[in-house]
Amino acid sequence: LAKTTQPISMDSYEGQEVNITCSHNNIATNDYITWYQQFPSQGPRFIIQGYKTKVTNEVASLFIPADRKSSTLSLPRVSLSDTAVYYCLVGDGGKFYFGSGTKLNVKP
Amino acid sequence: ETGVTQTPRHLVMGMTNKKSLKCEQHLGHNAMYWYKQSAKKPLELMFVYNFKEQTENNSVPSRFSPECPNSSHLFLHLHTLQPEDSALYLCASSQERGTRPQHFGDGTRLSIL
Repeated sequence: LAKTTQPISMDSYEGQEVNITCSHNNIATNDYITWYQQFPSQGPRFIIQGYKTKVTNEVASLFIPADRKSSTLSLPRVSLSDTAVYYCLVGDGGKFYFGSGTKLNVKP
Repeated sequence: ETGVTQTPRHLVMGMTNKKSLKCEQHLGHNAMYWYKQSAKKPLELMFVYNFKEQTENNSVPSRFSPECPNSSHLFLHLHTLQPEDSALYLCASSQERGTRPQHFGDGTRLSIL
């Protein structure tokens, strides 16, 4: 089963680039990698999704190496409002799991 | 506005009560999900419905009973809950079952007395 491993927490300062890595050794051939952001008392919000190589949208980039056993979410120039928990989601055919999440704390 | 609406937002109930949580989406999605989020634990997938048919039940106790009358509505019926069932219950929908982006509601905060 494609479970995921993420750092429990990270600290950063406003204006910095933040990279959060997720390990998923048992990812299946047809699975996508999806990242979500969650603020307290709210549901997770979709950030970005990819299958391989690099994907970029208006808020983040996702880097996936050729073996797809890990992925890195990159947040450019974070602000205080980016303080949240970030989850990596990887499917495994029929079942899929959210990771434990990485609590990002952005400091002024 | 996420497109997925959950009611009520907060619910306090005794262990012998019966209540229901409601989820509604008008995104035209075919898959709907129930998750449980307890303090300091990962989101736990409870049930999955695809085209109104239940496709997954992740060993959820029978005191939780889901219902999906149509593709836009999902219910979670609660009966004889335990204190450890206190949590945030999240509903989500997606175009198709699997790892395609899911749209989440803001959840129902459930407290069992």
